[in-house]
Amino acid sequence: EVQLVESGGGLVQPGGSLRLSCAASGFTFSNYWMSWVRQAPGKGLEWVASIKQDGSEKYYVDSVKGRFTISRDNAENSLYLQMNSLRGEDTAVYYCARAKWLAHFDYWGQGTLVTVSS
Amino acid sequence: DIQVTQSPSTLSASVGDRVTITCRASQRISSWLAWYQQKPGKAPKLLIYKASSLESGVPSRFSGSGSGTEFTLTISSLQPDDFATYYCQYYNSYSWTFGQGTKVEIK
Repeated sequence: EVQLVESGGGLVQPGGSLRLSCAASGFTFSNYWMSWVRQAPGKGLEWVASIKQDGSEKYYVDSVKGRFTISRDNAENSLYLQMNSLRGEDTAVYYCARAKWLAHFDYWGQGTLVTVSS
Repeated sequence: DIQVTQSPSTLSASVGDRVTITCRASQRISSWLAWYQQKPGKAPKLLIYKASSLESGVPSRFSGSGSGTEFTLTISSLQPDDFATYYCQYYNSYSWTFGQGTKVEIK
């Protein structure tokens, strides 16, 4: 059974940093693009970042470029999101998602809440 | 940038109704369009991928169609479990975009 389990969310002050983790199991992690998608409270879904199977290519939504870094450890079956210079508008539930044929997301974690507030 | 507009934002319907949700693109796009269902407090669930392919395990009352600039998600006979929010999602050149969402409510 495919499982994605996020961790690392919490309350952080504006300008602070946080590192999210996603533990994957039930599939060959190194065969798939992986992504982070977020959802602000009461709002819609927003793609944040994606990373190729071997980590050689990374893509980001414009609003997080230069502040967030996506990475992965295929030996540990883990996906990460390093978030720096956090802003109030980064407050959201962050989901880890597996890419289906690169274009779509077929498995999602349960999400981890990041709250940026003083 | 290609803009994707989902409509309606809210839809009131009864059990057994046929329901249609539309995503319109500002210019012609490929068929890399998907539909997701999300219930409160839960992660989204993939229903339809590549515009019209039904994801494994998804009931056949869900279907997707369209091409060019207009794509639709149809629920042929709305069931109690289908009251949720639905999102379209488009992929193009390493950019993934979601529609604004359609909340399907009980009439």
